[in-house]
Amino acid sequence: QKEVEQDPGPLSVPEGAIVSLNCTYSNSAFQYFMWYRQYSRKGPELLMYTYSSGNKEDGRFTAQVDKSSKYISLFIRDSQPSDSATYLCAMSDRDNYGQNFVFGPGTRLSVLP
Amino acid sequence: NAGVTQTPKFQVLKTGQSMTLQCAQDMNHEYMSWYRQDPGMGLRLIHYSVGAGITDQGEVPNGYNVSRSTTEDFPLRLLSAAPSQTSVYFCASSSRLFTDTQYFGPGTRLTVL
Repeated sequence: QKEVEQDPGPLSVPEGAIVSLNCTYSNSAFQYFMWYRQYSRKGPELLMYTYSSGNKEDGRFTAQVDKSSKYISLFIRDSQPSDSATYLCAMSDRDNYGQNFVFGPGTRLSVLP
Repeated sequence: NAGVTQTPKFQVLKTGQSMTLQCAQDMNHEYMSWYRQDPGMGLRLIHYSVGAGITDQGEVPNGYNVSRSTTEDFPLRLLSAAPSQTSVYFCASSSRLFTDTQYFGPGTRLTVL
């Protein structure tokens, strides 16, 4: 079992739809959870960052962390064609940050006009 | 302010050749990292540095060397290239730990024949 698993995608939705992207993980020591967006042939850029369990909202984006279920989600409201990208979850155990910072494989999202 | 820059953008090597991937940042960040990205596997940490003169191994360090003589530069050396090292390489920097915002470079696409 991989340490971090992510819905495989690709995912295609119409413009304006609500998108749900998810990751599961196996290491209960992870405390910091991040979502990165990566456009084609570009480096990833940080979208959202949360610590421990709970919700965090930033504009059209909401990140949720459920540590009891080892499950994190990113919701995108009113999706736009400019949201078309690959979304990577990442997580870290701060006490061992060198060897324990892990990215998921990514979900490719296409928002169709 | 250029952020994180990487050179070259593309490179083709023959098996056994060596080369250095360059990375530089102008944000005065202490933390710098190298990742490789392969299809279906997400980003995997190769080496990282927490400051000039200090480096450590990540998840997949074999076949790669790094050094950090200045805050700005963090080159990645491939000692004897192998086809398994065909990948896209990203350099990243951050002002604190991995849990802080990491800024990624545009990547180097490496093919080893």
